[in-house]
Amino acid sequence: AQSVTQLGSHVSVSEGALVLLRCNYSSSVPPYLFWYVQYPNQGLQLLLKYTSAATLVKGINGFEAEFKKSETSFHLTKPSAHMSDAAEYFCAVSEGSGGAQKLVFGQGTRLTINP
Amino acid sequence: GAGVSQSPSNKVTEKGKDVELRCDPISGHTALYWYRQSLGQGLEFLIYFQGNSAPDKSGLPSDRFSAERTGGSVSTLTIQRTQQEDSAVYLCASSAGTSGDTDTQYFGPGTRLTVL
Repeated sequence: AQSVTQLGSHVSVSEGALVLLRCNYSSSVPPYLFWYVQYPNQGLQLLLKYTSAATLVKGINGFEAEFKKSETSFHLTKPSAHMSDAAEYFCAVSEGSGGAQKLVFGQGTRLTINP
Repeated sequence: GAGVSQSPSNKVTEKGKDVELRCDPISGHTALYWYRQSLGQGLEFLIYFQGNSAPDKSGLPSDRFSAERTGGSVSTLTIQRTQQEDSAVYLCASSAGTSGDTDTQYFGPGTRLTVL
């Protein structure tokens, strides 16, 4: 079974600083990887996804992530944090074949932005 | 267009009671997923539907949990004889169900279940 590890359950950065949220995965086959964001009392919103087309993936709200096979990593970055980025972020890998692509999630990283 | 909707948004029940949670997927989406989000276990897959059939029920934690989908649209997750450990947020997601490049799952706002 595939698994996802997010290093750091809580990350705090200053407004305008670099955001780096770490994600490592284990997979025996080329994975599909995702980053989702969850704002308080809301569902999950897709930030970006990696599907082998390009190793650097750009998403919404200025976020991007780089797939590094040698490091089995898919870290999420944003050059300059904004107060509105405060939320919980989940990295996920898809598992299954054919139409069944259930997601296996990491434990999540809560991002706090300091003014 | 409308996204995935779930009802109720909050449900408080007593231990031992049965509950039904509803999910309305995005119109035209053939794939539907249920996940559970709890403090101790994080986000866990429960069950997957393709059309009205459920080829993957591997995440259902016990036989107290069941789900159905009718008309290839609305799905209901039923928990019988609820226990306190069932307290969690239950999330539903739908996707177009296309093959090839994996398609995107769109999530609803969830139902927060509290079992007293």
